[in-house]
Amino acid sequence: EVQLVQSGAEVKKPGESLKISCKGSGYSFTNYWIGWVRQMPGKGLEWMGTIYPGDSDTRYSPSFQGQVTISADKSISTAYLQWSSLKASDTAMYYCARHESLVGAPDYWGQGTLVTLSS
Amino acid sequence: DIQMTQSPSSLSASVGDRVTITCRASQPISSYLNWYQQKPGTPPKLLIYAASSLQSGVPSRFSGSGSGADFTLTISSLQPEDFATYYCQQSYTNPYTFGQGTKLEIK
Repeated sequence: EVQLVQSGAEVKKPGESLKISCKGSGYSFTNYWIGWVRQMPGKGLEWMGTIYPGDSDTRYSPSFQGQVTISADKSISTAYLQWSSLKASDTAMYYCARHESLVGAPDYWGQGTLVTLSS
Repeated sequence: DIQMTQSPSSLSASVGDRVTITCRASQPISSYLNWYQQKPGTPPKLLIYAASSLQSGVPSRFSGSGSGADFTLTISSLQPEDFATYYCQQSYTNPYTFGQGTKLEIK
């Protein structure tokens, strides 16, 4: 069974760093892209970027380039999304999702990681 | 970025109704258009990929059509579990933008 399991909810302060994770199982992790999607409270879905764990090829949305870092460790079938300095506007639910190719539809999604910024 | 515009933004309908949601891209995207259903507190669920292909396990009352820049999602006979928010997404080019969503509510 294909599964993407994300790390748990986080409560952080502005200026802190954070790395959240997405662990894949039940399929060949290195043969699928893993994308990240942001959903701010009560809002729609925003594509942040994607990584191919097989060779770490990474494509960012221009809106998120420089704001976050996407990485992967294929040895443990895990992708990551990280911030070096969080802002209050980073409060959101973050989803990972796999897609077979750059033009393929994300078919399996993680359960989401809620990131809350509180001063 | 390619802009995806859905209409309507919200819709009230009754069980058994036929419902159509439209999605327009700001430039042609061939058939690289996907549709998702999202219920509160859960991740999006893929319904339709490549404009008209039904994802495995999705009921046949859902269908998609279109190519180029104009697309539709049709639910042939609404069921109680279909009341949710629906999103289109283009996977033609990075960033893979989503429409703003259509909230389908019970009349």
